[in-house]
Amino acid sequence: KNEVEQSPQNLTAQEGEFITINCSYSVGISALHWLQQHPGGGIVSLFMLSSGKKKHGRLIATINIQEKHSSLHITASHPRDSAVYICALRDTDKLIFGTGTRLQVFP
Amino acid sequence: DAGITQSPRHKVTETGTPVTLRCHQTENHRYMYWYRQDPGHGLRLIHYSYGVKDTDKGEVSDGYSVSRSKTEDFLLTLESATSSQTSVYFCAIREDVLDTQYFGPGTRLTVL
Repeated sequence: KNEVEQSPQNLTAQEGEFITINCSYSVGISALHWLQQHPGGGIVSLFMLSSGKKKHGRLIATINIQEKHSSLHITASHPRDSAVYICALRDTDKLIFGTGTRLQVFP
Repeated sequence: DAGITQSPRHKVTETGTPVTLRCHQTENHRYMYWYRQDPGHGLRLIHYSYGVKDTDKGEVSDGYSVSRSKTEDFLLTLESATSSQTSVYFCAIREDVLDTQYFGPGTRLTVL
């Protein structure tokens, strides 16, 4: 049983579209992270959330602790947003990772 | 990128040989992690360290050992490499104030 489930697994979009990636989890957590892995393999941290909503540029992340659900939104998507987006749960000293959502944005 | 480097970046080795991967950080963070990434799986924790000489196992620690003799270096050793250890290995550090993990560039290991 996976503690972290992401949906969809794969997503294609046209440039300019609004994107939503979902993350559901089954355990109590202290924080949830969103990360981005570029086609070249590099992994960067986008957000750490413990409640509510955070925004950085065109990226918005929300979390609903009661429903054990988080979403990552990308507004006005661009081909450079093409990447794998990974949700991860904070479990004391460690992170538990989802398998990622592969996003491709076409011009 | 929090000054994290990994070496080597690529390695091809044969079954049964020992392999050591090195992770180096320049900012004295307490927590360091080793993960492996395989198709169909999320990043999986192999071992982590919460200080010099303080380490603990992750979910896929069998066949791996680690050492941390100084703050800046965290070594991952495969005592006798197997083909199932072919993977991409990422090192990461945890920045405590913002609770952010910074990842190294990864090491692609192929065991023939």
